[in-house]
Amino acid sequence: QVQLQESGPGLVKPSETLSLTCAVSGYSISSGYYWGWIRQPPGKGLEWIGSIYHTGRTYYNPSLKSRVTIYLDTSNNHFSLNLTSVTAADTALYYCAREDGVAAAGNGYDSWGQGTLVTVSS
Amino acid sequence: SYELTQPPSVSVSPGQTASITCNGDKLGNKYVCWYQQKPGQSPLLVMYQDDQRPSGIPDRFSGSNSGNTATLTISGTQAMDEADYYCQAWDSNTASYIFGSGTKVSVL
Repeated sequence: QVQLQESGPGLVKPSETLSLTCAVSGYSISSGYYWGWIRQPPGKGLEWIGSIYHTGRTYYNPSLKSRVTIYLDTSNNHFSLNLTSVTAADTALYYCAREDGVAAAGNGYDSWGQGTLVTVSS
Repeated sequence: SYELTQPPSVSVSPGQTASITCNGDKLGNKYVCWYQQKPGQSPLLVMYQDDQRPSGIPDRFSGSNSGNTATLTISGTQAMDEADYYCQAWDSNTASYIFGSGTKVSVL
């Protein structure tokens, strides 16, 4: 059974870069599936950040695309998120998740991490 | 940009049927997924490909999608079904996922 665990700083200063890692156990990320990042501001709804396929192909939320990079680290079996030039609006609970198959196939994210809260503040 | 609209809240009596709608332009042409999120928990996939239940999801959950509206139906609603529910669809024009704004289901 696959398990995902987010990690990273809980506090980031405005204008700096938010960096998070999602450690995957129970499955090799180089073998398949799409791996995604989703965030949820406190008390608000879900916002998709982006996904990466096991081949390295990426898809990003158009509203965040200029600031987002998602990449794989297959040697450590994890994938990571970088979000540059953060502001208070980027304060959120950040989740990593796994999707079985291509996005348009409608399979959804069937496994999620527990989430990690990132606060942007000086 | 593509948007998915959900009612902010739905109230249902125990044992009755709750219907949660998700509206979007020509949504019936896309696959829709649904997630359940209880306080302090990660989202849980409860429906995929419009009407398919993942393993372990009770059969009181069902889904449909046609025209501009996708619907998640909870039959014989139980207190444990009280949660926020989000719809999700892929927008091929922008190659990005869209989430609905979420619906809080209250079992009263």
